[in-house]
Amino acid sequence: KNEVEQSPQNLTAQEGEFITINCSYSVGISALHWLQQHPGGGIVSLFMLSSGKKKHGRLIATINIQEKHSSLHITASHPRDSAVYICAALNYGGSQGNLIFGKGTKLSVKP
Amino acid sequence: EAGVTQSPTHLIKTRGQQATLRCSPISGHTSVYWYQQALGLGLQFLLWYDEGEERNRGNFPPRFSGRQFPNYSSELNVNALELEDSALYLCASSFSLGNEQFFGPGTRLTVL
Repeated sequence: KNEVEQSPQNLTAQEGEFITINCSYSVGISALHWLQQHPGGGIVSLFMLSSGKKKHGRLIATINIQEKHSSLHITASHPRDSAVYICAALNYGGSQGNLIFGKGTKLSVKP
Repeated sequence: EAGVTQSPTHLIKTRGQQATLRCSPISGHTSVYWYQQALGLGLQFLLWYDEGEERNRGNFPPRFSGRQFPNYSSELNVNALELEDSALYLCASSFSLGNEQFFGPGTRLTVL
């Protein structure tokens, strides 16, 4: 079993739809990243959060530490949101420094 | 402010050769991380450097090595290249431990 699990693996939506991507982790974490990777390969950090909720434009990320679960929501989705979204856990205490990645959710938003 | 930069963008080598990949972190960041994204395998942690020292390494053989220079830039060296080393190699940087990591555009290594 992977330490960081994402669902769904693939997601197709119509423009304007509300999208939710889920991430569950089994390791103790100090923080969780949500990353966006476009087809060219470059990765953009969307959020890093250790509790509660963060919002940036149409993107919202939430985390429940007790349930070891995080969600990424996209409101009013747009074709330019099409990308792979990856959640990554930062090891507990950060003593190991590295991120543990989920396998990613490939999102395709149709016009 | 410049982001994380990596060079080269693409690198083609043959089996058995050595590859050197370079990364310059965001100004002020002291930690540099290297990750491998092989086709179908997702992102995997390779190495973490902070203040010039190797702090942690992932489950990779010793032929993957690197260093961090006094200006915090970093080099990843892969010796005795194998076909399965073909991957996108991503570098990230942060303000030392536990802070948000910012990624470079990656170096795509192809081993023939």
